[in-house]
Amino acid sequence: LAKTTQPISMDSYEGQEVNITCSHNNIATNDYITWYQQFPSQGPRFIIQGYKTKVTNEVASLFIPADRKSSTLSLPRVSLSDTAVYYCSYNNNDMRFGAGTRLTVKP
Amino acid sequence: DSGVTQTPKHLITATGQRVTLRCSPRSGDLSVYWYQQSLDQGLQFLIQYYNGEERAKGNILERFSAQQFPDLHSELNLSSLELGDSALYFCASSGTGATQTEKLFFGSGTQLSVL
Repeated sequence: LAKTTQPISMDSYEGQEVNITCSHNNIATNDYITWYQQFPSQGPRFIIQGYKTKVTNEVASLFIPADRKSSTLSLPRVSLSDTAVYYCSYNNNDMRFGAGTRLTVKP
Repeated sequence: DSGVTQTPKHLITATGQRVTLRCSPRSGDLSVYWYQQSLDQGLQFLIQYYNGEERAKGNILERFSAQQFPDLHSELNLSSLELGDSALYFCASSGTGATQTEKLFFGSGTQLSVL
């Protein structure tokens, strides 16, 4: 069974806000939710991490509802350089990633 | 630069051969993870080591093996290679791999081409 579920792909335009939602029904009480970004032929890199409610950094925001069974990565005012695959993951002993969401930002 | 070093960057070999991929984790990190990514596919978790001991095992084939040495670098050995083993192999490291706030830092990968 997939550990996390995300949309396979999303399209957006420059300057728009993009929200990518991830389902993680089996998350445990102590697990944190982490999102990664991957450009072609590069290793994924950390974007943001959170436990509940809202977390914001210079790159993105992460919204986590009270039941923590899903999370939404929000990218404000995307640019062409945000075109990448985005993975959500939650930390436990099984460091598996889902299929990720391929975001394409168009001019 | 994530601080994780993988060598070689590219590797071309033939079917039936054996290769070794090397990973040096970030300074101070005790956990090393190996992932396989085939063309346009997601990241497939292979195996995790913590301070020299195997901690978690994913979809790693019996033809593949790994180890983490006392200096914490890790090697992934792939043997009896098949065409389908062609992929990007990533190594990642983290502090301990045990805390809930652990973040993975990935290397730039080794592109393996089996001809």
